[in-house]
Amino acid sequence: DAKTTQPNSMESNEEEPVHLPCNHSTISGTDYIHWYRQLPSQGPEYVIHGLTSNVNNRMASLAIAEDRKSSTLILHRATLRDAAVYYCILKYSGAGSYQLTFGKGTKLSVIP
Amino acid sequence: GAGVSQTPSNKVTEKGKYVELRCDPISGHTALYWYRQSLGQGPEFLIYFQGTGAADDSGLPNDRFFAVRPEGSVSTLKIQRTERGDSAVYLCASSPDVSRAPYEQYFGPGTRLTVT
Repeated sequence: DAKTTQPNSMESNEEEPVHLPCNHSTISGTDYIHWYRQLPSQGPEYVIHGLTSNVNNRMASLAIAEDRKSSTLILHRATLRDAAVYYCILKYSGAGSYQLTFGKGTKLSVIP
Repeated sequence: GAGVSQTPSNKVTEKGKYVELRCDPISGHTALYWYRQSLGQGPEFLIYFQGTGAADDSGLPNDRFFAVRPEGSVSTLKIQRTERGDSAVYLCASSPDVSRAPYEQYFGPGTRLTVT
């Protein structure tokens, strides 16, 4: 799977929007962009995924650049419960490659 | 509904001992994965099961590590002759039919293994 680059850490004030960036300049046309997050002392949790178009769900929004070389996870109103490590992962959609390849992710701190 | 469960939540063992870690996936999920997470790192893939068979065990670090899923549901990760470097959180995840990509993986809370 292609590599992603994320900032090591970010801070946000509670109740404000958060934009978490991810660069993936070597993405291929068959790679999906997945985001997972990991709260302290828990297993990772799926957040959202997309291919080309922007996506919204109850947890977050995913904005994908037109050339697909970068994407941004958007939390519209950060809460203290959103403090976690956020992982941006590229996932080949074809057969024979099913595991997730995690990097170090971005540690998000939310300030009350 | 019930999520992925893992037992025990914590395991402390002495160097050289044998350990078994158990994973109960979400009912009906055909795919099951084991990952290992060291402190400050993201999870690292170990092995993937589709049904009862290990479809990809390329992440197992050496032959001391072995995993089974005999009835296509519960899985056990087995570590022989444990070493201090095996200390980590072992995570299990499951997902529905992987032939319909993309697919979410649902993770359990992990088993923290400490080898003294």
